[in-house]
Amino acid sequence: GQNIDQPTEMTATEGAIVQINCTYQTSGFNGLFWYQQHAGEAPTFLSYNVLDGLEEKGRFSSFLSRSKGYSYLLLKELQMKDSASYLCAVANQAGTALIFGKGTTLSVSS
Amino acid sequence: DTAVSQTPKYLVTQMGNDKSIKCEQNLGHDTMYWYKQDSKKFLKIMFSYNNKELIINETVPNRFSPKSPDKAHLNLHINSLELGDSAVYFCASSPAGEKLFFGSGTQLSVL
Repeated sequence: GQNIDQPTEMTATEGAIVQINCTYQTSGFNGLFWYQQHAGEAPTFLSYNVLDGLEEKGRFSSFLSRSKGYSYLLLKELQMKDSASYLCAVANQAGTALIFGKGTTLSVSS
Repeated sequence: DTAVSQTPKYLVTQMGNDKSIKCEQNLGHDTMYWYKQDSKKFLKIMFSYNNKELIINETVPNRFSPKSPDKAHLNLHINSLELGDSAVYFCASSPAGEKLFFGSGTQLSVL
């Protein structure tokens, strides 16, 4: 079976740092993706991890531990425009689909 | 320039009708997908096609029939629409096993 868990909602203030956690239990694993989705828009790609460790890309970083079935997305120097849903997704073993978690809605206030 | 384009953007229809959503990608990807996003924003895989061949059908009612005339197109036809079909439908494409590129979505409202 597939189970991907992430918090439903988080709040933070401008300039702060926020960490969005994702745990997964899937029958196969071929990498973990993070997507950002603003209200009324399509999801857009943020990051990809297939090996353990931290991937840094500007203000955003993503971490993966395959043995723990755990990932996080770290957002630094938060801006109002970072208010969005953040979707954790696991690629199935065959690489034929991404299975998404239910998303974390992040609200950034001034 | 549009990478993955789907039409229409909005679709309002009555229960029992039949409707289609079209999707085209100009990225040269082999794999295309349909996802459904419900009112709680949960994005769920419906179908996955690789080079015009169906490879994933995730327990979707057979009222939903995808068709891929070539690897750049994946259309979704829905028969006998029901209230519960109201959602946003996203088309996406990717090279095999890599990140997905999403279309802008089709908001389907069944009245």
